[in-house]
Amino acid sequence: AQKITQTQPGMFVQEKEAVTLDCTYDTSDPSYGLFWYKQPSSGEMIFLIYQGSYDQQNATEGRYSLNFQKARKSANLVISASQLGDSAMYFCAIDTGNQFYFGTGTSLTVIP
Amino acid sequence: KAGVTQTPRYLIKTRGQQVTLSCSPISGHRSVSWYQQTPGQGLQFLFEYFSETQRNKGNFPGRFSGRQFSNSRSEMNVSTLELGDSALYLCASSLTGTGIYEQYFGPGTRLTVT
Repeated sequence: AQKITQTQPGMFVQEKEAVTLDCTYDTSDPSYGLFWYKQPSSGEMIFLIYQGSYDQQNATEGRYSLNFQKARKSANLVISASQLGDSAMYFCAIDTGNQFYFGTGTSLTVIP
Repeated sequence: KAGVTQTPRYLIKTRGQQVTLSCSPISGHRSVSWYQQTPGQGLQFLFEYFSETQRNKGNFPGRFSGRQFSNSRSEMNVSTLELGDSALYLCASSLTGTGIYEQYFGPGTRLTVT
């Protein structure tokens, strides 16, 4: 069963603007972790941000923030003040304790 | 602290051969997971090892196997290679792999099967 859905295969954003990457998930487990990873063309997966299912506050890490709406089962990533180096694939993932499930990813291109 | 390392970085093999990939996790991390990434299938979970035991397994045939050593280093083996096994194989380590600790990925091994 598909656990993570990323509906935006490709996104474009102007440099210095903010962008939201969508992620919805499906789980019946009450306890889970949500993660966002960035994968540049080099191939390495870079951890960006984590949100626990019981966390009351939305997670933030520098220019990254997570818009967590538990009832809607969505965990959108917001990147503020986009930079050219943000151009990459972005993956949303969920860990219910058994394994990580990754979405199909969103390709973000930052335009100068 | 050193990151996750994977060797080799690139590999070319022929159909029918077997291959072994290696992963050294971040010091102190006990959980190692393996993923296969292809353009068509995306990131797919292969298996996870914790304290030398396979704790979780994805939906891959028995040709894919792995093991973990006492120092947490892990190896993945693919026997009787097929063309469809061409992929980027990523290894990730985490403290415990329980769902509250992020995974840290290595640079991957790009396997090409001809």
